[in-house]
Amino acid sequence: DIQMTQSPSSLSASVGDRLTITCRASQVIGNYLVWFQQKPGKAPEPLIYAASNLQSGVPSRFSGSGSGTDFTFTISSLQPEDLATYYCQQYDMFPLTFGGGTKVEI
Amino acid sequence: QITLEESGPTLVKPTQTLTLTCNFSGFSLSTSGVGVGWIRQPPGKALEWLAVIFWNDDTRYSPSLKSRLIITKDTSRNQVVVTLTNVDPVDTATYYCAHGTYYYHSRASHWFFDLWGRGTLVTVSS
Repeated sequence: DIQMTQSPSSLSASVGDRLTITCRASQVIGNYLVWFQQKPGKAPEPLIYAASNLQSGVPSRFSGSGSGTDFTFTISSLQPEDLATYYCQQYDMFPLTFGGGTKVEI
Repeated sequence: QITLEESGPTLVKPTQTLTLTCNFSGFSLSTSGVGVGWIRQPPGKALEWLAVIFWNDDTRYSPSLKSRLIITKDTSRNQVVVTLTNVDPVDTATYYCAHGTYYYHSRASHWFFDLWGRGTLVTVSS
């Protein structure tokens, strides 16, 4: 199985801050990576797929980069509604695997 | 508009079989490229993928749960059912079903879960 390692596991930031989350795959996955946002008590929603492509309707303050094994997720200017846990997930091969999540507190 | 809704028992005893149903609308599971999967999340923990069934009847399972899981579909009724046998308290989780399909970017196809149900909390306890 491909292990997905996210860091940090949690972070606290202020409105307007730029924040970055990293995700590392245990083997090369190309750019077959999706980032999900899960707000408290809600189901996950995809924000970015193909490592860097913004899903339709997602604000442009969200971005992603990387390929191979190392990936980055960035919020350029944190907003109050971004309070959530963020997960990376690889879909290069089965079994599909998720990172451990990054809880963002504001 | 695509919607998915999970249903099933909220409480199951250890060693019993858990059966969850995903009722969906807004798409057909006979459409090429479409799949419906199950993902679970123990309280306060990370997401864990369980299984997926595709439009062509192909199925894939999490290796760690494969011996206990079965996923089936009823295309005419717009349902996907997952069965988990011999449950244990560690199976306590919110169970989500999700729609997946292909997206195309830079001449490559990308398949992922793009729409999820609200989830259903299942507690395993005697």
